[in-house]
Amino acid sequence: GAVVSQHPSRVICKSGTSVKIECRSLDFQATTMFWYRQFPKQSLMLMATSNEGSKATYEQGVEKDKFLINHASLTLSTLTVTSAHPEDSSFYICSAIRPGFYTDTQYFGPGTRLTVL
Amino acid sequence: DAKTTQPTSMDCAEGRAANLPCNHSTISGNEYVYWYRQIHSQGPQYIIHGLKNNETNEMASLIITEDRKSSTLILPHATLRDTAVYYCIVRVGGTGKLIFGQGTTLQVKP
Repeated sequence: GAVVSQHPSRVICKSGTSVKIECRSLDFQATTMFWYRQFPKQSLMLMATSNEGSKATYEQGVEKDKFLINHASLTLSTLTVTSAHPEDSSFYICSAIRPGFYTDTQYFGPGTRLTVL
Repeated sequence: DAKTTQPTSMDCAEGRAANLPCNHSTISGNEYVYWYRQIHSQGPQYIIHGLKNNETNEMASLIITEDRKSSTLILPHATLRDTAVYYCIVRVGGTGKLIFGQGTTLQVKP
């Protein structure tokens, strides 16, 4: 079954508004989560690393003031797209690292389809 | 940039084994190889990972060459539901980051 959930699965908003996407690890605590986005017919692009209790680390070219990340608990990270515009329309996917005995495994959420009108 | 190269696309007959190759010639000694797949409009699904030994689970087998410069994912009996984009990823050491390449689009045909 799913180990990482996202909410909402789909959202449509008007240009200029802000949208919050939640990512939850369901049966484990995740000190580290990641946010990706994916445009049609393209691969996933890593946006940022979300660390519980500290500031997120953004990849080069990703605007930290536009994509606000909060990782306030060990099971929840949120991504807020501020002042969204049509070019922000994309498939946003989160992932969480599940610790293992020898190695850890990263599990992905089902994704959130954002459409900005 | 992704540290792996994969063929863009492959076909496989239903019921046959699907062998998906991946080159990762610059892999470091402590970096793991991970395989994920993505079915259209869904989040990537974890398949398997390994360091240097061959691995097998209920989904697939992973064969890593002795020099670790390449690997092959094997789906032993492909079904139509295995049609997806398969990503071979070398995890960035110490950070947990997964940098996705373009992957291989596997089409399983009846």
